[in-house]
Amino acid sequence: EPEVTQTPSHQVTQMGQEVILRCVPISNHLYFYWYRQILGQKVEFLVSFYNNEISEKSEIFDDQFSVERPDGSNFTLKIRSTKLEDSAMYFCASSVGQLGEKLFFGSGTQLSVL
Amino acid sequence: GENVEQHPSTLSVQEGDSAVIKCTYSDSASNYFPWYKQELGKRPQLIIDIRSNVGEKKDQRIAVTLNKTAKHFSLHITETQPEDSAVYFCAYAPGGFKTIFGAGTRLFVKA
Repeated sequence: EPEVTQTPSHQVTQMGQEVILRCVPISNHLYFYWYRQILGQKVEFLVSFYNNEISEKSEIFDDQFSVERPDGSNFTLKIRSTKLEDSAMYFCASSVGQLGEKLFFGSGTQLSVL
Repeated sequence: GENVEQHPSTLSVQEGDSAVIKCTYSDSASNYFPWYKQELGKRPQLIIDIRSNVGEKKDQRIAVTLNKTAKHFSLHITETQPEDSAVYFCAYAPGGFKTIFGAGTRLFVKA
């Protein structure tokens, strides 16, 4: 069964450093997303991406965040200057249809900002 | 604003009993209501979803009901088994491209 894959599984960084989280969505999916989950809390929407542009973003997704689809398979989330409160599990997801339907999540990248 | 309230936060049942989780949403324009299961340390996985033109949907031991007038939807798990133990998130799509998740219900099924 096709899966969304994410690398790395764990990322430790110093406050103020840049990090790039990588994702390979399912190949026939058209809509891509980043969500995050602080330990023990709910899953929070960050951004959605379709047709090579951001289609929607949340208040969390400020100027420190950016997304890119640099080639036909990868989808990346960059945090330019990490803060302590950025520590969370970051999930990439993809879907065939729009409206956030039937999301397939990757296994996540646990980001720890020290 | 866009919000979904989920209750209870923790639910403990005996194996074989039923479990019910309830959610209330705020955006009346919503048409899609999924439920995700997240086992410890794993990714959320879609287990069932319902659209607003349907009042109930069932898939084996799992069923979801939707009351659009009251803005309530519920997950019912019958004949619970220990492997049903997980965190369950209700969610809804308020239009656009995002999904709003509830706070989650931690279900414990005791053998």
